[in-house]
Amino acid sequence: DAGVIQSPRHEVTEMGQEVTLRCKPISGHNSLFWYRQTMMRGLELLIYFNNNVPIDDSGMPEDRFSAKMPNASFSTLKIQPSEPRDSAVYFCASSLRASGGQADTQYFGPGTRLTVL
Amino acid sequence: GDSVTQMEGPVTLSEEAFLTINCTYTATGYPSLFWYVQYPGEGLQLLLKATKADDKGSNKGFEATYRKETTSFHLEKGSVQVSDSAVYFCALSDPAGYNKLIFGAGTRLAVHP
Repeated sequence: DAGVIQSPRHEVTEMGQEVTLRCKPISGHNSLFWYRQTMMRGLELLIYFNNNVPIDDSGMPEDRFSAKMPNASFSTLKIQPSEPRDSAVYFCASSLRASGGQADTQYFGPGTRLTVL
Repeated sequence: GDSVTQMEGPVTLSEEAFLTINCTYTATGYPSLFWYVQYPGEGLQLLLKATKADDKGSNKGFEATYRKETTSFHLEKGSVQVSDSAVYFCALSDPAGYNKLIFGAGTRLAVHP
């Protein structure tokens, strides 16, 4: 059974370039989360989708960041233009939230290590 | 707001030693509590969880008990192995919300032969 799939696993880009990170959640899950992990700030939730709809994007750092979920099996996180301070590991996670009930455990992908030079 | 505090690392132990990693939380509701583990170069994996007071989560020899009176969820293992070397994250989620996870800072464990 495939877990959460992220691509690319590593991305090195130059400041000012556009970066797109991709995520395929576990089939059947209806909740998707994007996190960022840095040494200084630890794990931060960037955005949460439920049934493909963004519910909480309060963690998105600024307008340079955008996320989409066009269907239940795919999501993107885009940074445009990228800056060196965006260098981090970006994780996608998915879970199943029953209607009116608690969400199940979040399952994390392997992450994308982004380096902006 | 809700928060999680866990002991700073790194924690360095010899193989077969007893492990405790402390975790305390602050929450307005009745959160579920989790321990996640992150091995080098990998994503986070759920290690164990507890959803209500006095519940004990356990997995792979690790245990943690949800203590509402002390707002704690300490992780323990009786005999660690070199393969347990990783970063351990304590987290809580608010069941009244959408399962947003609030993570502690993480504790790095290094086990030596």
